[in-house]
Amino acid sequence: EVQLLESGGGLVQPGGSLRLSCAASGFIFSNYAMNWVRQAPGKGLEWVSGISGGGTSTNYADSVKGRFTVSRDNSKNTLNLQMNSLRVEDTAVYYCARDVRTATTHGHFDFWGQGTLVTVSS
Amino acid sequence: QTVVTQEPSFSVSPGGTVTLTCGLSSGSVSTSNYPNWYQQTPGQTPRTLISNTNTRSSGVPDRFSGSILGNKAALTITGAQADDECDYYCVLYMGSGIVLFGGGTKLTVL
Repeated sequence: EVQLLESGGGLVQPGGSLRLSCAASGFIFSNYAMNWVRQAPGKGLEWVSGISGGGTSTNYADSVKGRFTVSRDNSKNTLNLQMNSLRVEDTAVYYCARDVRTATTHGHFDFWGQGTLVTVSS
Repeated sequence: QTVVTQEPSFSVSPGGTVTLTCGLSSGSVSTSNYPNWYQQTPGQTPRTLISNTNTRSSGVPDRFSGSILGNKAALTITGAQADDECDYYCVLYMGSGIVLFGGGTKLTVL
C-alpha cells in the first residue's frame, strides 16, 4: 500500500525557515518523481515544486523560486522541502504527491499525503 | 505571467450534463499541455479523475470524460449526481517541468 506521510509543519515568523519531510512507503521510491503541492486555507491548489526520481532534476513555481529547495534521499525514501524567507502568503497545507512519471512532472499525481500545515505569522 | 483559467462556480441539475473548462490567459490549451483533472471534496485530498486530456483514472465512473473543446480543456459530467458536488481543478503542463493549477470550479448540484 502506497503511503506518504508529511511532517515538519508548524508556526513560523515571516522571514523564518522550515523544513518539511515526506516519508514514503509501499513502492520503489526512486522510480517516481515527487512533488509538493500546497493549498492555502479556503483556497485552491498550487503546485510548488517537483523533483525527478533520481533527484537530478528539480523545478519550482515562480512564487517560491530562490526561496524553497526540494531534495530527496532515495536511500531513506524521503522527500524534503527546505523553505527559507517565508512569507505570510506561504501559509498553507503542504501535500507531497507522487507522480506517475520518473522524469519531471506533467501534472499527473496519483497518490497524495494527508498534508502538513505551515503557518507564517508574527 | 500565464494563468490557468476555470469557471469559479457552476451549477447543474441532478441528472443533467455540465462541461467545465480549463483555459490559458494567453494561448490555447492542447494535448501537449497534458490536461489533468482533479476532484476534491472538503477536508479530503484531491483525487485524479482524468489524466492526459481524456484518460479516466481507475474507479472513476464513465459519466466523467475529458476532451479539448476549441482552445480549452474540458471536463464533462453526464448525468450529474449529488455527490459530484465538490471542487474540480485542472492542471496543465507548461514545459520545462512546470505545471500550473487552475483556480478551481465549485460545482453545485441542485
